[in-house]
Amino acid sequence: GQNIDQPTEMTATEGAIVQINCTYQTSGFNGLFWYQQHAGEAPTFLSYNVLDGLEEKGRFSSFLSRSKGYSYLLLKELQMKDSASYLCAVMDSNYQLIWGAGTKLIIKP
Amino acid sequence: TAGITQAPTSQILAAGRSMTLRCTQDMRHNAMYWYRQDLGLGLRLIHYSNTAGTTGKGEVPDGYSVSRANTDDFPLTLASAVPSQTSVYFCASSEGLEGEQYFGPGTRLTVT
Repeated sequence: GQNIDQPTEMTATEGAIVQINCTYQTSGFNGLFWYQQHAGEAPTFLSYNVLDGLEEKGRFSSFLSRSKGYSYLLLKELQMKDSASYLCAVMDSNYQLIWGAGTKLIIKP
Repeated sequence: TAGITQAPTSQILAAGRSMTLRCTQDMRHNAMYWYRQDLGLGLRLIHYSNTAGTTGKGEVPDGYSVSRANTDDFPLTLASAVPSQTSVYFCASSEGLEGEQYFGPGTRLTVT
């Protein structure tokens, strides 16, 4: 079966750094996506990795290791507005996204 | 640019009744999707359309139907609603099969 695992909830302090991990087992691999979802709102795209390595975009970076079935999202200089759920999704061999349940990130002052 | 719009925002529906959730995009994207999101679960794909005139079944298609008469619109119909269809429904679109998906604001449906 296809499976995406990520922690249910994490807590971090404003100004700090947090790493959200995602492991996956899917039928084929056509890329891994990270989305941000604030409570009551729609998911919005953050990053995409299809090759191994680190992709940096401002305060956010995403890493992929295809051989390990592993990715992480790194958030630096945390701000209160970063309090949200972070969704990991893998595109399978049919070009359909398989979604994790999301990690709720709580930022404390 | 509006992006993707969905209607209604929320709805309470009696079990056994039918309902159509509307979705319209103005980005001329080829692919469109319907997901449901339930607490503690990842987004689950209901139906998708790779291009106007074609549709396909996702992970949880039972009890739902879709049509794609043109590029912009992708309505989702519940023929006879059941309480297990209580959920938040998101419509999304992407330019191609491999690209990032853009989401509408969602429809919160409660079936009583």
